[in-house]
Amino acid sequence: GAGVSQSPSNKVTEKGKDVELRCDPISGHTALYWYRQRLGQGLEFLIYFQGNSAPDKSGLPSDRFSAERTGESVSTLTIQRTQQEDSAVYLCASTLGISYEQYFGPGTRLTVT
Amino acid sequence: AQTVTQSQPEMSVQEAETVTLSCTYDTSESDYYLFWYKQPPSRQMILVIRQEAYKQQNATENRFSVNFQKAAKSFSLKISDSQLGDAAMYFCAFPGAQKLVFGQGTRLTINP
Repeated sequence: GAGVSQSPSNKVTEKGKDVELRCDPISGHTALYWYRQRLGQGLEFLIYFQGNSAPDKSGLPSDRFSAERTGESVSTLTIQRTQQEDSAVYLCASTLGISYEQYFGPGTRLTVT
Repeated sequence: AQTVTQSQPEMSVQEAETVTLSCTYDTSESDYYLFWYKQPPSRQMILVIRQEAYKQQNATENRFSVNFQKAAKSFSLKISDSQLGDAAMYFCAFPGAQKLVFGQGTRLTINP
């Protein structure tokens, strides 16, 4: 079956512009996560969606970051007024629950110039 | 707060040899899961192995096995008969408050 997909795979943007990253989870997975991975670093949690519950936004680094998810489908991560420190790979993962394997997408590499 | 520590930023091993990657964590919970993920240069994160804390038996998946020491809060990954395709970043992960906490990773190089 289809895995987690993310688009675009690469995005280059100018400082100050807004970007929108998309994640399509595996069908039936109620939980969806966004992570940020800076070059050579581990994964930094950003936000977590579980069904229709209020999302856990505790990892968002600033109010320039926001994310939406409609039901158990597609999620979008929006970064407003991008800064050079936002340059990273943004990974999305979906899962049946916290004790289960998280299935990751291939990531979006964001470069802010 | 849960923390996960991987003390080896880089490791290398000869092809066909065995290598062990270390991971320690901190938690006050008694029942939980632990994960090892692999991230090759393609950057696709792949689950390698999962351990349930209430199980005394160490998890094994083919050439991959864990040494889980609950009292010591240690969760090391052993890779036997290393292959060139094992070259990757390896991350230990612990689920805390409904989200995975990842270690900083160990970069594994396989020498032919």
